[in-house]
Amino acid sequence: AIVLNQSPSSIIASQGEKVTITCRASSSISSNYLHWYQQKPGAFPKLVIYSTSYRASGVPSRFSGSGSGTSYSFTISRVEAEDVATYYCQQGSSNPYTFGAGTKLELK
Amino acid sequence: EVKLQQSGDELVRPGASVKMSCKASGYTFTDYAMHWVKQSPGQGLEWIGTIIPLIDTTSYNQKFKGKATLTADKSSNTAYMELSRLTSEDSAVYYCARSGDWEVGDYWGQGVMVTVSS
Repeated sequence: AIVLNQSPSSIIASQGEKVTITCRASSSISSNYLHWYQQKPGAFPKLVIYSTSYRASGVPSRFSGSGSGTSYSFTISRVEAEDVATYYCQQGSSNPYTFGAGTKLELK
Repeated sequence: EVKLQQSGDELVRPGASVKMSCKASGYTFTDYAMHWVKQSPGQGLEWIGTIIPLIDTTSYNQKFKGKATLTADKSSNTAYMELSRLTSEDSAVYYCARSGDWEVGDYWGQGVMVTVSS
């Protein structure tokens, strides 16, 4: 199975700050198959970025993604209060599809 | 508007089975596969398997083979997952998620909380 190592596991950021999450895969993944989700407390996951760098419908432009091969990143350019959530990367390249362990974003 | 409406929370006895549903609306059901994902309490996300309703084909995470059975009813636009021989390890929230291109979960149901307890 492809293991996705996500870091950091938690972030405490100030409003307006830039935050970056990395997701490193144990094997190379086509960038088409790497996705990012946001899960707010008590809610279901919501797709934020698909295929490494494409924002899902309605997602603000402060969210972005990049990467290739085994190294991917997710960035919020200016954190807002509504961004408090846990973020997960996911690969759909090979069975079993796997998720990173998550990064919990909190506000300072 | 794409919506995935899942069935209600379940309290089940150890050793029993449970079958949950995921009713799709707002798109052509047979145009997309459906993923199922497990989230144990306070934990991350695990992919269970995927069903392609158009051709009734399934693929499973090896970990869940024999535990989960995925089916779909094209006439009612509903996907189902049955979990068998339940133990406390199966207590979790289970989500269905529409599978877009590249195996992404582009729309998610609200989740079904399964509690296994005597």
